[in-house]
Amino acid sequence: AQSVAQPEDQVNVAEGNPLTVKCTYSVSGNPYLFWYVQYPNRGLQFLLKYITGDNLVKGSYGFEAEFNKSQTSFHLKKPSALVSDSALYFCATYKWEYSTLTFGKGTMLLVSP
Amino acid sequence: GAGVSQSPSNKVTEKGKDVELRCDPISGHTALYWYRQSLGQGLEFLIYFQGNSAPDKSGLPSDRFSAERTGGSVSTLTIQRTQQEDSAVYLCASSRRDRVSTEAFFGQGTRLTVV
Repeated sequence: AQSVAQPEDQVNVAEGNPLTVKCTYSVSGNPYLFWYVQYPNRGLQFLLKYITGDNLVKGSYGFEAEFNKSQTSFHLKKPSALVSDSALYFCATYKWEYSTLTFGKGTMLLVSP
Repeated sequence: GAGVSQSPSNKVTEKGKDVELRCDPISGHTALYWYRQSLGQGLEFLIYFQGNSAPDKSGLPSDRFSAERTGGSVSTLTIQRTQQEDSAVYLCASSRRDRVSTEAFFGQGTRLTVV
């Protein structure tokens, strides 16, 4: 079965500091990996995806993620956090042969001024 | 439409009543998903439709839950004899689900409160 894990319920970072939100995956073969963000009282928004190619993927709002096959990880990163980045972040995986988009349980990112 | 539309945005219902939640996906998207997000919980997969194929109902929590998708477009999620534990935000998403574009686009959700 395909799955992703987000080991941290919450990440706290000060504005201006780099941030990392962790995600590991368990998928046989080559996975499709995604990051979504959910701002308060809003739906989920797509941030970025890895399908194939460069291991470093750049997405919306200055976020990027690094696909690491040996560590089966797809951590979300941003060089300099903003207070407005505070939100709930979900990692997800999708495999062509399967029907469902499987999400992690989410990580709350809190950026303090 | 420009995005995935869900209605109603909020629904309060009495325990034991039936409810219907509607999802209007992005035009041309063949894949449609329903998820449930409970307070403090992640996203729980409910059901998946892809084109004219039989839906994947493996995530439906009980036989009180059902969904249909008419004409490959609009979908309705029905919960019969609602229980308090059904209270959650129900999210719908659609995607093209092809080799080029696989990301899903989500609606704003329907917040269901069973009292």
